[in-house]
Amino acid sequence: AQSVTQLGSHVSVSEGALVLLRCNYSSSVPPYLFWYVQYPNQGLQLLLKYTSAATLVKGINGFEAEFKKSETSFHLTKPSAHMSDAAEYFCAVTHGGSQGNLIFGKGTKLSVKP
Amino acid sequence: GAGVSQSPSNKVTEKGKDVELRCDPISGHTALYWYRQSLGQGLEFLIYFQGNSAPDKSGLPSDRFSAERTGGSVSTLTIQRTQQEDSAVYLCASSFDRGPDTQYFGPGTRLTVL
Repeated sequence: AQSVTQLGSHVSVSEGALVLLRCNYSSSVPPYLFWYVQYPNQGLQLLLKYTSAATLVKGINGFEAEFKKSETSFHLTKPSAHMSDAAEYFCAVTHGGSQGNLIFGKGTKLSVKP
Repeated sequence: GAGVSQSPSNKVTEKGKDVELRCDPISGHTALYWYRQSLGQGLEFLIYFQGNSAPDKSGLPSDRFSAERTGGSVSTLTIQRTQQEDSAVYLCASSFDRGPDTQYFGPGTRLTVL
């Protein structure tokens, strides 16, 4: 069975500081990994995804994530936080077979202080 | 182009009533997914359609929930005899194909059962 753990339900950073949101996964087969962002009262928007190509994945809005198989991690980073980054971030996993439905972590709410 | 749309955006109903939630996927997307987002359970997968077929309905929470998809396009999620625990945001997503293809999410329907 697959699962995702996001460490920290709330993360607060100052504007301009490094953003680090943690995601660890469990999967018995090679995983495909995703980060989605959800702004208040909106649906989920894809930030980036890992599908077994390059382990360092660059996404929209300056975010990137690195797939580390040995650590079963897919942490999301951004060098310098902007006020507009305040939102909830979800890590998700799926695999290539079966239905392809996403299994989500519980989410991390990011606050950015001026 | 047009994204995934869902209607209604908000639905308030009384306990015991039936409700229908609608999803219009992106044109040409063969895979369609329903998820539920609630405070207690996070993001849960409900059901997946490939074309008009739903191979696995085991994600539906109870037999009060049903879903159909017609013409390989519009999908309807029906909840019969609604209960207060059904209150949640119901999200629909579509992708070109199943598996690791990016899922594009609609804005969701917020269901409140009084």
